[in-house]
Amino acid sequence: KQEVTQIPAALSVPEGENLVLNCSFTDSAIYNLQWFRQDPGKGLTSLLLIQSSQREQTSGRLNASLDKSSGRSTLYIAASQPGDSATYLCAGLDQNFVFGPGTRLSVLP
Amino acid sequence: SQTIHQWPATLVQPVGSPLSLECTVEGTSNPNLYWYRQAAGRGLQLLFYSVGIGQISSEVPQNLSASRPQDRQFILSSKKLLLSDSGFYLCAWSVPGLAASTDTQYFGPGTRLTVL
Repeated sequence: KQEVTQIPAALSVPEGENLVLNCSFTDSAIYNLQWFRQDPGKGLTSLLLIQSSQREQTSGRLNASLDKSSGRSTLYIAASQPGDSATYLCAGLDQNFVFGPGTRLSVLP
Repeated sequence: SQTIHQWPATLVQPVGSPLSLECTVEGTSNPNLYWYRQAAGRGLQLLFYSVGIGQISSEVPQNLSASRPQDRQFILSSKKLLLSDSGFYLCAWSVPGLAASTDTQYFGPGTRLTVL
């Protein structure tokens, strides 16, 4: 059974810092891995999708990597801004979506 | 404890046929309910959300509709499926009334729909 964990559970940083969010999964047989953002009172927003054959994806200030052999993915956020404050979820897709518990990020102005 | 169920787990339907996907939540009252879709190779997209019985908000125009006949039941339907309706459909719920900073959505196992 796939299990997904995320570290840290919460993170508070000053504006402008670079930061890394970590995601671990137990079963490497995933079709893809996605990172999402969840804002309070709203649904999920998909940030980056990494197919199982890929190693990383980049979008603007975001970079996500995938290492299936070690069961890890990281989300790198460069030059963080207060608008980046949200909960970040990773999810691995095999037979079904399996979400991690999320990392709650606060970027302080 | 709260649990969320979706069925069926997988579904293969011909173009033009109707669709009905069901989602039920146990262990909570008056949840907010959500339907998401992930098309192949694309991110997750919010389709509908509901804050109460009979209250449905649509996020994107499409071939689908949603209904909430009971407090903890959310149904996704279509009268005539299109090829582009293929994808992975997720139902989710959240607890209303908490502070916005604690709003978390909990997802069901999903339904994989293939339209041929």
